[in-house]
Amino acid sequence: GENVEQHPSTLSVQEGDSAVIKCTYSDSASNYFPWYKQELGKRPQLIIDIRSNVGEKKDQRIAVTLNKTAKHFSLHITETQPEDSAVYFCAAINTGTASKLTFGTGTRLQVTL
Amino acid sequence: EAGVVQSPRYKIIEKKQPVAFWCNPISGHNTLYWYRQNLGQGPELLIRYENEEAVDDSQLPKDRFSAERLKGVDSTLKIQPAELGDSAVYLCASSPGALATNEKLFFGSGTQLSVL
Repeated sequence: GENVEQHPSTLSVQEGDSAVIKCTYSDSASNYFPWYKQELGKRPQLIIDIRSNVGEKKDQRIAVTLNKTAKHFSLHITETQPEDSAVYFCAAINTGTASKLTFGTGTRLQVTL
Repeated sequence: EAGVVQSPRYKIIEKKQPVAFWCNPISGHNTLYWYRQNLGQGPELLIRYENEEAVDDSQLPKDRFSAERLKGVDSTLKIQPAELGDSAVYLCASSPGALATNEKLFFGSGTQLSVL
């Protein structure tokens, strides 16, 4: 089955700096890659996703890039703000086989003032 | 629109007791998932339903866990008897289908289970 690795496990940046979280996946047939943000004690919330037919997607300060050849995808947050502090999870799935969405182990992002 | 609704929000029980969690998915979402999230980890799938059919329960510990989605809408997840290692957050999620084009998965707030 799919295996998703996520790095780093913790990330501390100063407000206004950029943050990058990286994930690799094992199943070359995976074609959908969502990112979730989870604040302490709250539900994981979908913040951005990308499908394998595109290489990059942006939504305001958040962007995701996908390298299918290398089987890795990354989350980029620019101009970080204290409210960006949370745990971020990447995930991958091959929607063609209706297999399960496999999550990474999470990255705890701390944005300091 | 209302999101995925779960109850209870918290549950504290003694080991060997039974416990049940309830989930109401987003209206019109045919696919329902139960995930378990251990502290500091990502969610792990326990079972996935397409309407009322459990299409993936390979990760469900069937000796003590059971789930149902009788009418293809609400679902319940049960643990009997609970063990100390079952302490975790149990997340329900739903999606319109199998995450094909433009389909997305949304989570409920979860039930935090503590087994003493």
